[in-house]
Amino acid sequence: AQTVTQSQPEMSVQEAETVTLSCTYDTSENNYYLFWYKQPPSRQMILVIRQEAYKQQNATENRFSVNFQKAAKSFSLKISDSQLGDTAMYFCAFMKNSNSGYALNFGKGTSLLVTP
Amino acid sequence: KAGVTQTPRYLIKTRGQQVTLSCSPISGHRSVSWYQQTPGQGLQFLFEYFSETQRNKGNFPGRFSGRQFSNSRSEMNVSTLELGDSALYLCASSLAGRTYEQYFGPGTRLTVT
Repeated sequence: AQTVTQSQPEMSVQEAETVTLSCTYDTSENNYYLFWYKQPPSRQMILVIRQEAYKQQNATENRFSVNFQKAAKSFSLKISDSQLGDTAMYFCAFMKNSNSGYALNFGKGTSLLVTP
Repeated sequence: KAGVTQTPRYLIKTRGQQVTLSCSPISGHRSVSWYQQTPGQGLQFLFEYFSETQRNKGNFPGRFSGRQFSNSRSEMNVSTLELGDSALYLCASSLAGRTYEQYFGPGTRLTVT
C-alpha cells in the first residue's frame, strides 16, 4: 500500500513571497504519478501540477513548480509570487500506473493562508 | 465543455436510511472515480468505474456500492447510513488512456443525523 505524508498541517505566507509545501510518500512501485491538488473554500478540487515518476525533469506550471526526489521519495511544491487566491488546502497525491484500475492516494493536506 | 456535475449538492438523511448520489462526467470521459472526504480520515478512494465495470475498489464496507451506466454517468449508493458516513463525496472523471488527468466535480455534502 502507498502512503502519502504531508508534515505541515498549516502554513502562512505573505503575498508576493515564495512558499514550499512538503510531501513524502512510500511505495514499492516504479511506475507512478504524483500530484498536487488545491481545494479552496468552495471545496472544488483543482489539479495544480502533475509529475510522472519516469521523468527526471521537475514539472512546472507558471508560478508552481515541484522538487521531485525519487530516491528520497520526496515531492515538494513551490509557489512563487504567492497571491491571495492561492489560499486553500493543498493535497499531495499518489497514483500507481496500472492496467487494473486507478486510484488517488491523498495526504492529509496542508492549509495555506496567503496574507496581504 | 461542461465540467463534472454531481447531484444533489447537499443532502440530509437519517441514520439507517439509504442514499443515492449521482455523477455525470465530462462528455467523452469513460472513467469515473468516487472519493469520500471527512475531517478525520481525509480523502479516501471508494471505487472506480470504466465502461460500466468496476475496475478498482477501496477499503470500504459493502454498504457502499456503485454502478456506471452506458452513458458513463455513475451512481453510488450507501445503505443503512451511519453517522460516520457524513462526508463530502467527490466524483472525478477522466478520459480513457489519460486516467492520470482526473477532473473533479463540486461534491455532494451528505449529513447523516
